[in-house]
Amino acid sequence: AQSVTQLGSHVSVSEGALVLLRCNYSSSVPPYLFWYVQYPNQGLQLLLKYTTGATLVKGINGFEAEFKKSETSFHLTKPSAHMSDAAEYFCAVRAPNFGNEKLTFGTGTRLTIIP
Amino acid sequence: GAVVSQHPSRVICKSGTSVKIECRSLDFQATTMFWYRQFPKKSLMLMATSNEGSKATYEQGVEKDKFLINHASLTLSTLTVTSAHPEDSSFYICSARDRGQIGEAFFGQGTRLTVV
Repeated sequence: AQSVTQLGSHVSVSEGALVLLRCNYSSSVPPYLFWYVQYPNQGLQLLLKYTTGATLVKGINGFEAEFKKSETSFHLTKPSAHMSDAAEYFCAVRAPNFGNEKLTFGTGTRLTIIP
Repeated sequence: GAVVSQHPSRVICKSGTSVKIECRSLDFQATTMFWYRQFPKKSLMLMATSNEGSKATYEQGVEKDKFLINHASLTLSTLTVTSAHPEDSSFYICSARDRGQIGEAFFGQGTRLTVV
C-alpha cells in the first residue's frame, strides 16, 4: 500500500522567494511519485514525475523535485515564486506497474504568493 | 501532453433527477479511466476505476447503484449520478491513463455539480 503526507496545508511565500512544498511518502515497493497543480475549478495538471533514473526531476513552470529514498521524501521546489504559481498542489504516489494501479493523493498544499 | 475533455464543466439539477458526466480522451486511447470526487478544500477521493468493456471497480463506501460508470470505448467513460440529492453536490474529476505511458494519468477539467 502507498500513502503520502503533505506537510503544511497552507504555504505563503513572497514573490521572488524560494518555494518549498513538502511531501513524504510511504510505499512497500519502489514508488512512482507525482506532483500536480490545480487552479480553482479546474482539473489537475502534471508538474513533474519520478519513475526511475535520475532522482532530481525537472518539470514545467520552473519546478523541480528530488526523490530521496533515505528520507522517503519528494519535496517540490522553485527558486523564485511568481504570482501565477498561486494554486493548490498535490503530491501523489502509485505502485510502478502497468494497468489499474491507482494514484494516492496527499491532502494538498495551498500556495499563496505575497506581492 | 495528452488531452482529456470532461463535459459539462458545470451543471445544476433538481433533486431526484439524474446527471451524466462525460470524460473523453481526445488524442489517445485510454484503457483505464478513474473517477474522483473532490470536496471543498479537500483532496481527491477515488470513486471508481473503469476499464474499457468491463464493469467498473468501486472504492469502498461508494454506492455503485448511485454512481453508474460506463466505459464503452477506449476514448469515452461516463459517470451518471442517479437520483441526485444535495449531498451529491461536489466537484467530480476524471482521469485517463494512456496505455502507452508509464504511470502518467491525464485529468479532465472537472465538473461542478450542484443539486438543488
